[in-house]
Amino acid sequence: QVQLVQSGSELKNPGASVKVSCKASGYILSHYAMNWVRQAPGQGLEWMGWIDTNTGDPTYAQGFTGRFVFSLDTSVSTTYLQINSLKAEDTAVYYCAREQGGPMVRQNWFDPWGQGTLVTVSS
Amino acid sequence: QSVLTQPPSASGTPGQRVTISCSGSSSNIGRNTVNWYQQLPGTAPKLLIYSHHQRPSGVPDRFFGSKSGASASLAISGLQSEDEADYHCASWDDSLNSWVFGGGTRVTVL
Repeated sequence: QVQLVQSGSELKNPGASVKVSCKASGYILSHYAMNWVRQAPGQGLEWMGWIDTNTGDPTYAQGFTGRFVFSLDTSVSTTYLQINSLKAEDTAVYYCAREQGGPMVRQNWFDPWGQGTLVTVSS
Repeated sequence: QSVLTQPPSASGTPGQRVTISCSGSSSNIGRNTVNWYQQLPGTAPKLLIYSHHQRPSGVPDRFFGSKSGASASLAISGLQSEDEADYHCASWDDSLNSWVFGGGTRVTVL
């Protein structure tokens, strides 16, 4: 079945970097865009951007430019989120989510989601 | 501050009907589809409703999505204890060029 499996929880010091992986199975990675969504403790969902899994081109939402990097390795059907120069406010659960629907993004939806990766930034 | 507005909480007794609203604008819900995600405690969001009212396979028909103008609603009929969760609405925003979410509504079964 279609599944996204993310890497485990991370505890990092401020200023460090973290790389979260999202491994896709049950379908061909390059056939669907992959999105990243953040959920800070006790907060709602916040869209971070997406990566074109055909070309590898990333698009970052407002507020997620500069320190955030999306990448992929099609040979292992995996997309990645790297966060550099970590700050305490980066503490959150990060989700990958496959975008489904069609060529018009306004008509699409996210399904499935990865199980989430908790990144904690604390000294 | 979320772009889409949802009430923070809703509640009902088993068997009751609960409705959750999601208010947007002409740049998001007013012209684009609305999706709803259910997030059970301690788990990842799961697609509940897509394209305003479509239910993925496996989602009970107790869940009903609708849209009118720049607002959308999710109705849960025959409320069950397993429906206790956070519910998030989402839509594409043409002005922001971004997916936008509501702040989420926590449904409690009394």
